[in-house]
Formats: sequence, C-alpha cells, structure tokens
Amino acid sequence: SQQGEEDPQALSIQEGENATMNCSYKTSINNLQWYRQNSGRGLVHLILIRSNEREKHSGRLRVTLDTSKKSSSLLITASRAADTASYFCATDIDTIYTGANSKLTFGKGITLSVRP
Amino acid sequence: EAGVAQSPRYKIIEKRQSVAFWCNPISGHATLYWYQQILGQGPKLLIQFQNNGVVDDSQLPKDRFSAERLKGVDSTLKIQPAKLEDSAVYLCASREGGNSGNTIYFGEGSWLTVV
Repeated sequence: SQQGEEDPQALSIQEGENATMNCSYKTSINNLQWYRQNSGRGLVHLILIRSNEREKHSGRLRVTLDTSKKSSSLLITASRAADTASYFCATDIDTIYTGANSKLTFGKGITLSVRP
Repeated sequence: EAGVAQSPRYKIIEKRQSVAFWCNPISGHATLYWYQQILGQGPKLLIQFQNNGVVDDSQLPKDRFSAERLKGVDSTLKIQPAKLEDSAVYLCASREGGNSGNTIYFGEGSWLTVV
C-alpha cells in the first residue's frame, strides 16, 4: 500500500531556480528518506530525516518534516540540468513487535525537469 | 565500499517462461530487500530478509514468485511462470541492521520485459 504521496507529480523549472517537492504520509513513522532516480538507473539515497528532527540540510538540499501534519518537503536550491530525475519520498516504520523489521514504503514519485 | 550488485541488468523473456535475478548486498548488511518497480510508479516491497530468514513477504505473489537467501548473504529472486504484468524493474537493496535509522542502499536494478 502507498504510504507517501508526493506533490506535484511533475515539475518543470529553469536552471538556477529552486525546486520544492512535497510528500504527505498517513501513519506514524520513525524516519523519512528522499531518493533520486535517474532514467534507467537505480535509486540513490539523498537524505534521511528522523521523526524527532524538523529540518536537515545536505549541500543544495533542504528537507523539512512536520510530524503533526504528516508531511515533508524537499527543496533543491539553484537547480541544475543534472538534477533532472524522479524523486521519491519513503517512510520508514519499525514494527511495534520487534523494532527490527523496518522497511521503506515509497510514494509514486515526482518527475523533475530542469531546463538549461 | 562496493555497492549492491545485481545481475542481469536486462532480460527479455516470453510469457510463461522463467527468470532469475541475483543480488549481492553490501558486505555486512544483514537486511536485504527485493522491490518491484513498474514504470511510472514507486517501488513496492516484495520480500524482506533478515540474515537468511524471511521477515516480510506479504506482497510477494507466491504462486509465481520465490526468493531465497540461503547463507544470509546473496539472494535470488525467481519468477515462474512470468506474466506480461511482471514487466518491471526489480530492485535489490540492503541495510546494515534491521532498525530504521540506517540508510538503505539500492542496486541499479534488473530490468525485465515479458513479451
């Protein structure tokens, strides 16, 4: 079942602009992760934000998490043509029984196109 | 550090044939996942191993899909017989422990086309 839902489904911007992508989820989580997928390639991990964190930065990436609204956003600043890819949010939930059976549940993804 | 290795990268088979995919996770990673990603969709978990034991296979179509991780290291995913709707990318991923908080690393995927 789909846990995260990204918004918008597709985004087209000019190089140099900022790109903001949103993700909403339904149940309580331990952490939320963002991944990038270039066409024909596997998933590349971008950033992990824990449920007790509100904001995290990594280079040109800024991720926020609002657990009260069950939402997260990924901001890519000063976008480049090489940022063109699909972006996925994934929620990470431990089972309540063992805490060891965590797994990622992905949304459908956002297609980002950065025009040179 | 070597990443998650998968083979073959591409496979085209006819419906009702069988296919097997192989995955070698990052050394020392106890947890291994197989995901199915249909074009235009997000990855969907098929099966999760903790060492050589299955901890979640609730979304694995067991009438045609099987997976094993006999020695707790590499893993194979088999489809027999294949259907047209099995056309997808099969992604293997691994994580150091079983708890959330550790990054999950993905391989490049095995692309299956069923004709």
